[in-house]
This record gives sequence, structure tokens and C-alpha cells, in this order.
Amino acid sequence: DQQVKQNSPSLSVQEGRISILNCDYTNSMFDYFLWYKKYPAEGPTFLISISSIKDKNEDGRFTVFLNKSAKHLSLHIVPSQPGDSAVYFCAAYLSGGYQKVTFGTGTKLQVIP
Amino acid sequence: EPEVTQTPSHQVTQMGQEVILRCVPISNHLYFYWYRQILGQKVEFLVSFYNNEISEKSEIFDDQFSVERPDGSNFTLKIRSTKLEDSAMYFCASSGVGSTDTQYFGPGTRLTVL
Repeated sequence: DQQVKQNSPSLSVQEGRISILNCDYTNSMFDYFLWYKKYPAEGPTFLISISSIKDKNEDGRFTVFLNKSAKHLSLHIVPSQPGDSAVYFCAAYLSGGYQKVTFGTGTKLQVIP
Repeated sequence: EPEVTQTPSHQVTQMGQEVILRCVPISNHLYFYWYRQILGQKVEFLVSFYNNEISEKSEIFDDQFSVERPDGSNFTLKIRSTKLEDSAMYFCASSGVGSTDTQYFGPGTRLTVL
């Protein structure tokens, strides 16, 4: 039951360049989407979210884009920094309920100095 | 900055034993959650808890599992009779009053069942 999919298990990017992490979902009922970052031996840390009424949300170096027709979202990190190296999880849920968040499998980002 | 805390950080137990994982959510939060992550797999929702009762649970959360908020600060996950496949990282999370308030995660408890 892979309702949220991250097809790239890993990504390497040079410091200063753009990192683009992709995510696809199959459940059209999802109306709230999030990105979490996770370091080893730590819990997921919230990064940025977007509701289905928007197609873009920006917070500093992080921008999330949502394409509802394609059921696709992406996270852009510009410029990438070595401290961004972590596993990034895309997640989604149906708002108005109890936030049963469905996570993707994660993409390991390595930013090379 | 307020944070979710979890104890212990690592729990080792024998198959068939009961374990209790403990969490202290952020103090003014009203919604509480447990997730687990088996090594190499994705983070999976187990249960949500609101107003002193389970609001939603996944198919993973069977009769072996229970949750409780025994006092005003702690939130616990009990596994009655552990199985080898229960070995995983267990994350507690909490969120505020709104249905889209961000969930904040604790650092996790690594459960190893031998």
C-alpha cells in the first residue's frame, strides 16, 4: 500500500546548487502535504507543508510545489548546504480528521562540499 | 523550544515479554500519535489519541498494542507480548488544537526483540 512514493532513494548535489526531491501520491483524498527531514538516531523534523488549495509554498531556502493533477509534489532546496544532508520524507494526510500521516520511503540527500 | 521526549532511547527485550514505551508530548498539545519505522522501511502510522481515547488506528495496531495517557503529561505505548517483528524505532508525536497543526516528533525509542 504505497500511497506516497519517493522513487529516488538517494540524491547527491554539490553545495550551492539546487536540490530537487520528488514525491508522488495515489490517494486523491489527501489534501495536506508535508516534508520532514530526518537525521540518523533522531525523529523526523518538520520542514514545510502545503495544503491542496495552493500550488507553492516557500520558507527561506525551501520551496514545496504541488501539482494536484499529476498527484506530484517536489521540494526544492536552494542553495543546498552540507548541513542539509539527511533523509527527506514526503508525507500526506486528509485534514479534518486525526492526522493519520502517510509517509513516503524517503530520499537520502547528500550535499557535497 | 518545547520538544517531545521519549524514554528509554533503547529497549532490549525477550520475545513474549511486555514493554512500555514512554513519551512526554509538548505540554499544550492535544493530539498524540505513535509511529514506527522498521529498519530500512518507511515511517508507519500506528495510532492517534485525542480526548483520552483512540481516534484512529492502523491495521498494524492490533490487540497486542495499547496506548494510555496515565496522567497529564505522559503518553505510553504498551506491547503486550513482543514478537521479533516488533523490532523497530518507535516515534511519538504530538500536535496542537487544529486539524492541520504540525506534528512534532520525539527522538524515538529503538526496540530490539530477541
